[in-house]
Amino acid sequence: QSALTQPPSASGSPGQSVTISCTGTGSDVGAYNYVSWYQQHPGKAPKLMISEVSKRPSGVPDRFSASKSGNTASLTVSGLQAEDEADYYCSSYAGSNILIFGGGTKLTVL
Amino acid sequence: QLQLQESGPGLVKPSETLSLSCTVSGGSISSSSYSWGWIRQPPGKGLEWIGNIYYSGSTYSNPSLKSRVTMSVDTSKNQFSLKLSSVTAADTAVYYCAGRRFSYMDVWGKGTTVTVSS
Repeated sequence: QSALTQPPSASGSPGQSVTISCTGTGSDVGAYNYVSWYQQHPGKAPKLMISEVSKRPSGVPDRFSASKSGNTASLTVSGLQAEDEADYYCSSYAGSNILIFGGGTKLTVL
Repeated sequence: QLQLQESGPGLVKPSETLSLSCTVSGGSISSSSYSWGWIRQPPGKGLEWIGNIYYSGSTYSNPSLKSRVTMSVDTSKNQFSLKLSSVTAADTAVYYCAGRRFSYMDVWGKGTTVTVSS
């Protein structure tokens, strides 16, 4: 299994919306509704932001939303805030208990 | 509230075996709600799933690491462990333990840095 493909970087001004893509294959992203997204601030552990394509855990702001179409999943951050600046990783179930991560996207709030 | 804490040597020599443990607090490692996993992150790079283990002892590993990975659970200590054999510099990373709910991890340890160097 190869890593999922994410853009290395994304940016937006405070208050704007930004969307990060995550492209896999028909064996992972396209095969299962089991895409998750994680936020990681420098020196910190990843934090779950979205599970199962579009479910937000308790405590995650509703500014974070996600969807999937075919082999590509997307995370949208609306109303960008300074604290949203972080690395974001997607992950997909790939069958046989295997998880695959994307390479990560560095989100900069301008 | 479930909490996880990694422990183990921060420095391992090439060709030797990396050994880490993760202590679960605030809940039971025998919970059917979770399997227990390991994820690593080389310096400046992305996340890589290593594998996970159920309290029953069933294990699942990244195919690229499977031949070198051994995982175990100690229910008496509420701990699970990772052994990675024949390490090289490429295994230098921050290693995280995490509680996994089928397709995602919703509780993570803070991570522990392991450097492979002579």
